[in-house]
Amino acid sequence: QVQLVQSGAEVKKPGASVKVSCKASGYSFSDYYIHWVRQAPGQGLEYMGRINPNSGGTNYAQEFQGRVTMTRDTSISTAYMELSRLRSDDTAVYYCARDPGRTGFLEWLSHYMDVWGKGTTVTVSS
Amino acid sequence: EIVLTQSPGTLSVSPGERATLSCRASQSVSSSYLAWYQQKPGQAPRLLIYGASSRATGIPDRFSGSGSGTDFTLTISRLEPEDFAVYYCQQYGSSLPYTFGQGTKLEIK
Repeated sequence: QVQLVQSGAEVKKPGASVKVSCKASGYSFSDYYIHWVRQAPGQGLEYMGRINPNSGGTNYAQEFQGRVTMTRDTSISTAYMELSRLRSDDTAVYYCARDPGRTGFLEWLSHYMDVWGKGTTVTVSS
Repeated sequence: EIVLTQSPGTLSVSPGERATLSCRASQSVSSSYLAWYQQKPGQAPRLLIYGASSRATGIPDRFSGSGSGTDFTLTISRLEPEDFAVYYCQQYGSSLPYTFGQGTKLEIK
């Protein structure tokens, strides 16, 4: 079945970087955008950005510009989200999620998320 | 950036009854780009509704979405025990970021 499997929990110190992975299975990884969303403890959902696994093209939310890098490795159907210069308020669960639109020649985005990973907890603490 | 305001913050309803959740946008949103998600404790969000009124695959027909412009509604017609959760609306405007409402917690009365 279609699923996104994320890497395990991370504990980082302020100022460090974290790289979260998201492995896709059950579908053609390159054909669908991947979005990243985070959720601080007890809070709502916050959009971070998206990657086109086909081209590697990315779009980031303004709040994360300069600190976030999204990449992919199509040979292992995996997307990555790296966040640098971590602060305590980056403590959150980070989710990857698929957009059911299409990449490629006739590219289009649905702009919603139909399949989600289970999330990766990132704790930033000194 | 379009701000989504969900109301009420918490809704207490008895099983078998109807629940109506509201999502209001700070400016007009294309109906094509309004979605609803359900989230249970310790779980990822689950897509319920996209395009304001289309049910996602496998979603029971007791869930329905409606609305246009700045006012959108999620209705759960006959609440089942598994429906008690937090619900989020999400929109996409003409540019990033996508934004989410702050959530409505649906609790058992």
